[in-house]
Amino acid sequence: DAGITQSPRYKITETGRQVTLMCHQTWSHSYMFWYRQDLGHGLRLIYYSAAADITDKGEVPDGYVVSRSKTENFPLTLESATRSQTSVYFCASFHSGGGENEQFFGPGTRLTVL
Amino acid sequence: QKEVEQNSGPLSVPEGAIASLNCTYSDRGSQSFFWYRQYSGKSPELIMSIYSNGDKEDGRFTAQLNKASQYVSLLIRDSQPSDSATYLCAVRTGNQFYFGTGTSLTVIP
Repeated sequence: DAGITQSPRYKITETGRQVTLMCHQTWSHSYMFWYRQDLGHGLRLIYYSAAADITDKGEVPDGYVVSRSKTENFPLTLESATRSQTSVYFCASFHSGGGENEQFFGPGTRLTVL
Repeated sequence: QKEVEQNSGPLSVPEGAIASLNCTYSDRGSQSFFWYRQYSGKSPELIMSIYSNGDKEDGRFTAQLNKASQYVSLLIRDSQPSDSATYLCAVRTGNQFYFGTGTSLTVIP
């Protein structure tokens, strides 16, 4: 399927466990992003990546780790999940350079940490 | 800190009316501006992008940009119940995107 996919779509875990959220895009967009969305805060950037093996922190990176070994994949890992990380997580991508640089979103992962 | 502010909601309009959504941003270096629609439980969906001062029309939607005032707006003409959603303003500065907290719109049949 073309576009951005995220897995799992729903996840329930316990405090202290490691969780990895997957993101895959088929457009070969250079940039990829992870956001979390919480009531009252809108979309907040966790990490982003400009290309394979290049990542950088966003607004709320603490407690999260990312990697990007391939252009199409950008997994987000919660090393030791906390209840404050209960949220909806969106992956997004865009291609920098030329034309209109819209950002496109995946369907989201709803994560609950008990 | 780069900020994007949207007019507080919720906003309710009758079917067929014009809905007006507003957004201001703090960074004068911002170069691209977007409006996303987000239905409850779904991901944001791009509906309009605007890059230069003035108006841009697409069907029932018109985006307006005034860089001097650091202001972006979205007008929805002939509002339909299916337009009921949260609208997110986004601003691109460099290679990052900054979002407002959204304005909830309800179109009353």
